[in-house]
Amino acid sequence: DAGVIQSPRHEVTEMGQEVTLRCKPISGHNSLFWYRQTMMRGLELLIYFNNNVPIDDSGMPEDRFSAKMPNASFSTLKIQPSEPRDSAVYFCASSLGQYNSPLHFGNGTRLTVT
Amino acid sequence: GENVEQHPSTLSVQEGDSAVIKCTYSDSASNYFPWYKQELGKGPQLIIDIRSNVGEKKDQRIAVTLNKTAKHFSLHITETQPEDSAVYFCAASSGDNLFFGTGTRLTVIP
Repeated sequence: DAGVIQSPRHEVTEMGQEVTLRCKPISGHNSLFWYRQTMMRGLELLIYFNNNVPIDDSGMPEDRFSAKMPNASFSTLKIQPSEPRDSAVYFCASSLGQYNSPLHFGNGTRLTVT
Repeated sequence: GENVEQHPSTLSVQEGDSAVIKCTYSDSASNYFPWYKQELGKGPQLIIDIRSNVGEKKDQRIAVTLNKTAKHFSLHITETQPEDSAVYFCAASSGDNLFFGTGTRLTVIP
């Protein structure tokens, strides 16, 4: 298995632009998580899907952030409009269970908003 | 909600020595405690986990201990090697959420 695949690996954009991050979870995993990692705040959960349905989006910072999971093999995280404070590494992870199951992380997307 | 504290934030050891990283948690309902290793430019990778029905678990050079009464758990790495150098995160879950510690940067000096 190729593991969790995220694209792009790096994204540099200007403030105000729309950014879309993509994730392909491990086949057969029914849970998908989006995390954001910064030096100041560590690993923060943004949203959690189970069987393609958003279960917990309490970590989504504000309305500028949205996430979708149209099918079991694809998810997107969109930021519109982007701001410099959104600069971070965004990770997607999948698992066979919920919060108390091992997470398999992708290698992340490093987002820089100038 | 849960509060997971991790210490130390940085740790340097000589190759071959042991390394210990400690975490405490606040929610007595937490029952799943994974440890992740993050290498530069990569996502965190699970290295070992423990559930509340056991007190210790070992996998080759890595072991985790859990003290539910005191609400703390620890990662032990023996015979450290340069490739053990990374950032290590503990986490705790009650099933409703998963909370990460702030990470420990381990450096193994050859």
